[in-house]
Amino acid sequence: DTQMTQSPSTLSASVGDRVIITCRASQNINAWLAWYQQKPGKAPKLLIQKASNLQSGVPSRFSGSGYGTEFTLTISSLQPEDIATYYCQQYNVYPLTFGGGSKVEMK
Amino acid sequence: QVLLQESGPRLVKPSETLSLSCTVSGYSIGSASWWGWIRQPPGEGLEWIGTIYHTGNTFYNPSLMGRVTVSFDTSKNQFSLKLTSVTAADTATYYCGRRDYGEGFDPWGQGVLVTVSS
Repeated sequence: DTQMTQSPSTLSASVGDRVIITCRASQNINAWLAWYQQKPGKAPKLLIQKASNLQSGVPSRFSGSGYGTEFTLTISSLQPEDIATYYCQQYNVYPLTFGGGSKVEMK
Repeated sequence: QVLLQESGPRLVKPSETLSLSCTVSGYSIGSASWWGWIRQPPGEGLEWIGTIYHTGNTFYNPSLMGRVTVSFDTSKNQFSLKLTSVTAADTATYYCGRRDYGEGFDPWGQGVLVTVSS
């Protein structure tokens, strides 16, 4: 299986801060990576796919980058509504696997 | 707009079979796309369970191999999940979702919490 490792698992930031979450794959997944945002009690929401393609309707302060085994999700200016847990997911090969999640809290 | 909605029993006894359905509206499931199940134990992360292609091909998580079946009911525009011999470790919120080649899961259903308990 392709293991997905996210860091940090939790981070505290203030409104306006730049937030960076990293996702590392245990093997090359090319650009077959998605990022999801999950708020408490809600289903995950797709933010980015193919490592850097922003979903329609997702604010432009979100961006993704990376290829191969190293990926990042960046929130350029944290807003209160961005408080959530973020997951990466590889879809290069079955079984599909998710990272363990990165919880973003407000400082 | 494509919408997905999970349905099924919220409480299942140990050793029995968990059965859930995902009703799709706004899209014909047999025409294209891939349809999947993902679960999330309380307070934990996400785990992919299985996917069925519009062709009927299926792929399952090896960690659940032998206990999982995903199938279509095209007459109801639904796909379903059956998980046999459940234990407390199968207690989770179960989500259904759609994806296409080269894409992530979008949209997702709202999820249904299934508890395994006697």
